[in-house]
Amino acid sequence: DAGITQSPRHKVTETGTPVTLRCHQTENHRYMYWYRQDPGHGLRLIHYSYGVKDTDKGEVSDGYSVSRSKTEDFLLTLESATSSQTSVYFCAITPTGTAPGFNEQFFGPGTRLTVL
Amino acid sequence: KNEVEQSPQNLTAQEGEFITINCSYSVGISALHWLQQHPGGGIVSLFMLSSGKKKHGRLIATINIQEKHSSLHITASHPRDSAVYICAVRSENRDDKIIFGKGTRLHILP
Repeated sequence: DAGITQSPRHKVTETGTPVTLRCHQTENHRYMYWYRQDPGHGLRLIHYSYGVKDTDKGEVSDGYSVSRSKTEDFLLTLESATSSQTSVYFCAITPTGTAPGFNEQFFGPGTRLTVL
Repeated sequence: KNEVEQSPQNLTAQEGEFITINCSYSVGISALHWLQQHPGGGIVSLFMLSSGKKKHGRLIATINIQEKHSSLHITASHPRDSAVYICAVRSENRDDKIIFGKGTRLHILP
């Protein structure tokens, strides 16, 4: 257990509304990631962070933004939600101090988002 | 073509059977990761491999770097092993990103 929580765990919203998902970790890990998981696809990276205020885009970043103002929190925002963003969102961390190239990821419990 | 391919996509077996799940990849990697996703959705890390073989309980993971192939074996399978098993590689060619397979859905019948 890497001490990762996500909130909310489930959310239903309407098209065009803003949505923010929160990932919280308690063990001061430096690297954090947001993924989405959809049927027929593997987990796909949305954004990631290498530290406070240090974020970068993943392969499916369009329509999403992130912020990391504190080590423990990594926020994912959908500025104007669309139905194509209906998905399960997972946050993950890489434990600090592991050797480069051998970094194992640990996942949060996921957030199921439905955009109507 | 996906850079990480898993086979089979779905597998149903009887309790007690020996299970093999395969993962092939087309990129240079620094490590390969096997994950288990339970029916409730939670994702658990099983193994991280860069060479050879690792064993944990009834689970065995092997990797052949030259052939760009890894296998996950489950001995004496049990219904509680029913889950989606995901292979992921850390690519040397894509800024150290992790590339995930689509998963193998395993169902063990009692």
